[in-house]
Amino acid sequence: AQSVTQLDSHVSVSEGTPVLLRCNYSSSYSPSLFWYVQHPNKGLQLLLKYTSAATLVKGINGFEAEFKKSETSFHLTKPSAHMSDAAEYFCVVSGSSGSARQLTFGSGTQLTVLP
Amino acid sequence: KAGVTQTPRYLIKTRGQQVTLSCSPISGHRSVSWYQQTPGQGLQFLFEYFSETQRNKGNFPGRFSGRQFSNSRSEMNVSTLELGDSALYLCASSSNPGTGPHEQFFGPGTRLTVL
Repeated sequence: AQSVTQLDSHVSVSEGTPVLLRCNYSSSYSPSLFWYVQHPNKGLQLLLKYTSAATLVKGINGFEAEFKKSETSFHLTKPSAHMSDAAEYFCVVSGSSGSARQLTFGSGTQLTVLP
Repeated sequence: KAGVTQTPRYLIKTRGQQVTLSCSPISGHRSVSWYQQTPGQGLQFLFEYFSETQRNKGNFPGRFSGRQFSNSRSEMNVSTLELGDSALYLCASSSNPGTGPHEQFFGPGTRLTVL
């Protein structure tokens, strides 16, 4: 079984300040982890993925995430927020085979960027 | 490459009717998954098709069904619509045949409203 908990349903930051979106996961095997972003009335876009290589993963638009097995966490960060980062972010876990291959989504974190 | 396309983008139906949604995956992708997104339940996995066979299924009633054609295009059908079926239905495609990270690329979704 696998699950994801996004610890904050809403995060608000000022433009130019750091972003931290928190995610904890649970998985009975070595998981693959993803962060997706969804802008209003749009589909989901992949930001980055962890696949058991480097624990610090760099993604698009300046985002990165660090896989910490001891803490079962995969937090998403960005050094400096832009107005265009305002969106909903989903942490996602997936196994490698069988029914575990389906994506299991967290409940989402709505990011607001204030001018 | 063209992305995942979904038709129609918006649909309004009444209770008791049935509906068919269509998804065309990225060229070369053979796996298609469907998800339902609602404000209350978030993003939930419906089913996955690979090479015209349903490979995984989520916890949805039998009113939800799907199929995949030889060109990898997929359709999902919902019969006897209920008000609670109002949602954004997302389709995702993947080139991954069976193991390893299951990175998926999402379409813009079909917004279904049941009156």
